[in-house]
Amino acid sequence: AQSVTQLDSQVPVFEEAPVELRCNYSSSVSVYLFWYVQYPNQGLQLLLKYLSGSTLVKGINGFEAEFNKSQTSFHLRKPSVHISDTAEYFCAVRGTGGFKTIFGAGTRLFVKA
Amino acid sequence: DTGVSQDPRHKITKRGQNVTFRCDPISEHNRLYWYRQTLGQGPEFLTYFQNEAQLEKSRLLSDRFSAERPKGSFSTLEIQRTEQGDSAMYLCASSLAGTGTELFFGEGSRLTVL
Repeated sequence: AQSVTQLDSQVPVFEEAPVELRCNYSSSVSVYLFWYVQYPNQGLQLLLKYLSGSTLVKGINGFEAEFNKSQTSFHLRKPSVHISDTAEYFCAVRGTGGFKTIFGAGTRLFVKA
Repeated sequence: DTGVSQDPRHKITKRGQNVTFRCDPISEHNRLYWYRQTLGQGPEFLTYFQNEAQLEKSRLLSDRFSAERPKGSFSTLEIQRTEQGDSAMYLCASSLAGTGTELFFGEGSRLTVL
């Protein structure tokens, strides 16, 4: 079985500042990793995913994440945030041989002017 | 491709009533999932269909919950004898079969049990 821990429930940050949202996972098997974003009153949508290969993954809207197997982490970063990035961000994991995606509790990113 | 659609978007019901939610997945997706999300939490897995077959049901789902996916197209999630603890957002997602495929979510059906 897999589990996901998102270390920060809320992250306030000023516009144009960098941000990192932290995610750690636990699994006894190889995994795929995902970040989803949920804007207010909208469904979850994929930001980026790690399947294999390069540990640095680039996604939409200037976000990127780095897979660190030894630390079982998949932190999400953006060098300069915008007001429009205000949303809830969910880290998720799925075993490579499985079908069930397990989500973390989410991190609410609040970008201030 | 109109995405995943869910109906109704909001449902308010009295305790003890039955409710049914419908999900229409993306047409070429053969995998369909139901999740539940409560305030301050991430989506929790409820059940999974591959085509019309329900392959897994979470222990979170009591006997009052039932899901179907007739003919491998739309799906319904029924909750019988609703309780206040059932109040949540019920999310439907679909995906293609295959490894590494991501989930496409609907906007959810919010249930409030009074």
